Amino acid sequence: DGGITQSPKYLFRKEGQNVTLSCEQNLNHDAMYWYRQDPGQGLRLIYYSQIVNDFQKGDIAEGYSVSREKKESFPLTVTSAQKNPTAFYLCASSNSGRNYGYTFGSGTRLTVV
Amino acid sequence: SQQGEEDPQALSIQEGENATMNCSYKTSINNLQWYRQNSGRGLVHLILIRSNEREKHSGRLRVTLDTSKKSSSLLITASRAADTASYFCATGPPYGGATNKLIFGTGTLLAVQP
Repeated sequence: DGGITQSPKYLFRKEGQNVTLSCEQNLNHDAMYWYRQDPGQGLRLIYYSQIVNDFQKGDIAEGYSVSREKKESFPLTVTSAQKNPTAFYLCASSNSGRNYGYTFGSGTRLTVV
Repeated sequence: SQQGEEDPQALSIQEGENATMNCSYKTSINNLQWYRQNSGRGLVHLILIRSNEREKHSGRLRVTLDTSKKSSSLLITASRAADTASYFCATGPPYGGATNKLIFGTGTLLAVQP
């Protein structure tokens, strides 16, 4: 079955550590996205990529980095520069073009300990 | 930046009743989409309505769009306990935009009591 897989489901990070969240899709979608969700604040866009080897900053990119070396993969690194990383992170993908819905992964819950 | 704002923030109804949620947005759009999110899970795409459409149906869902008022509504008819979830609207970029970048609202939490 086609879909989008995020791992791990839960992640714990110590202060000062970088951590990488995985996102893989087998839907042959060109575009991929990372969102952060905090309680009561909806989804905020971190980074997005429309094509391999290209990506753009979203509204809250500071303290995060991404890569898009393969069409199927769009990993997100939460760096030590992100001062408040505890949140629910959602990865999504879509066809390119402007009238397509997103397919979301099941999310990664990151907690700083 | 938040584009869409849902109203109400929370809604509690009895099974079998209809549920109506509203979304208002600020700038011109190419399309508006509705998503459902069960607690602790990813979002699921429900329906997309284009800016030149006024109403769309999908099963028990009915979506309306009024671009002059920059608002949309989602109606769920004959609700079931399984409809309990958060519902988000998301707006696509304006006509001529090169990306499919969506901006999501803050959501409506729907509780359907059995």
